[in-house]
Amino acid sequence: DSGVTQTPKHLITATGQRVTLRCSPRSGDLSVYWYQQSLDQGLQFLIQYYNGEERAKGNILERFSAQQFPDLHSELNLSSLELGDSALYFCASSVGPAGDEQFFGPGTRLTVL
Amino acid sequence: AQSVTQLGSHVSVSEGALVLLRCNYSSSVPPYLFWYVQYPNQGLQLLLKYTTGATLVKGINGFEAEFKKSETSFHLTKPSAHMSDAAEYFCAVSGSGSQGNLIFGKGTKLSVKP
Repeated sequence: DSGVTQTPKHLITATGQRVTLRCSPRSGDLSVYWYQQSLDQGLQFLIQYYNGEERAKGNILERFSAQQFPDLHSELNLSSLELGDSALYFCASSVGPAGDEQFFGPGTRLTVL
Repeated sequence: AQSVTQLGSHVSVSEGALVLLRCNYSSSVPPYLFWYVQYPNQGLQLLLKYTTGATLVKGINGFEAEFKKSETSFHLTKPSAHMSDAAEYFCAVSGSGSQGNLIFGKGTKLSVKP
């Protein structure tokens, strides 16, 4: 158990819908990262928050957004869903803003029908 | 831009044999390098991390990795494979500058034959 929790574990929805994925980092970690894992794209970095502020952006679509709340949990919002958004979405956390070990949650498997 | 290349999408070894998973990185600055393991239907677990200093890094479950700057390599090894080592292994480099995100290789699936 990494100490990072993600909910829900599975999510099945239809095209055009909007979903919210939730992540709670390990106690004491200030950074939260979101990654997408798919068969064709592999593991892709989406976005990082550090202590409530956006720190780095990766290959995140405009239809996707995220935030980190004062209690340091984070949410990833995916809207206008397309079939190609079906993937595993991982959250990871680390102590500092860069260079530290990242600890991954169990992931949320999103299926868009 | 930083990148990671893992040679071999699938490696198969016999139980008790040496495991060697290859990783080459591209980085303009001294990198932070990582190996992660992913078991089926699970998240990624950190095996080991390299930071500037020792060239041989020991990790969990008997794995270790050797950093070779001249070859820009960070290969993962284990002297004797166990059935429980069957999983997918990812090499990663930390993002450049002040960015902490990980850039992953495409992964190597390790199969262990009895």
